[in-house]
Amino acid sequence: DVLMTQTPVSLPVSLGGQVSISCRSSQSLVHSDGNTYLHWYLQKPGQSPQLLIYRVSNRFSGVPDRFSGSGSGTDFTLKISRVEPEDLGVYYCLQSTHFPYTFGAGTKLELK
Amino acid sequence: QVTLKESGPGILQPSQTLSLTCTFSGFSLSTYGMGVGWIRQPSGKGLEWLANIWWDDDKYYNPSLKNRLTISKDTSNNQAFLKITNVDTADTATYYCARPNWFAYWGQGTLVTVSS
Repeated sequence: DVLMTQTPVSLPVSLGGQVSISCRSSQSLVHSDGNTYLHWYLQKPGQSPQLLIYRVSNRFSGVPDRFSGSGSGTDFTLKISRVEPEDLGVYYCLQSTHFPYTFGAGTKLELK
Repeated sequence: QVTLKESGPGILQPSQTLSLTCTFSGFSLSTYGMGVGWIRQPSGKGLEWLANIWWDDDKYYNPSLKNRLTISKDTSNNQAFLKITNVDTADTATYYCARPNWFAYWGQGTLVTVSS
């Protein structure tokens, strides 16, 4: 299985600040079709995960441009700028290049 | 508008078979490229992908569950199903269905508790 190592586990932030979350995979996430299937989700307390970024850098419909994704191969980053209260929660990365799909363990974004 | 909703037994005993239903709208499993996946999350813990089923009846399973999983679909009624045999307390979790490839749409989840 592809191991997804997500760091940090906890990320204190001030409102209006900027943060980055890292997700590293144990093998390349480049699919044989040339695409890289690495995605980012936010799970707010008591809610289902919601898709933020798909295929590394594509913002899902309705996601503010404060969220951006980057990376390639095995090293990926989610950046959040101008953090707002509704951004707090647990962030997960997911790889769907290889079966079984695997998630990172999560990063909890919380107020300082 | 794509929606998904899970339903399940709520509580069951160890060694029983867990049967889950995902009822969805806004897409069809008879359409090329469409699929439904199942993911679970124990309380306070992370996410675990379980299985996918696709429009062409192709199926993929997480081998960590060692042949305990069966995924199926009813295209006419816009439903997908997941069975997990021989459950134990480690299967206690919230179970979600979602639409792959990148799970843009999720159900609200259904809590399943395995307890004697």
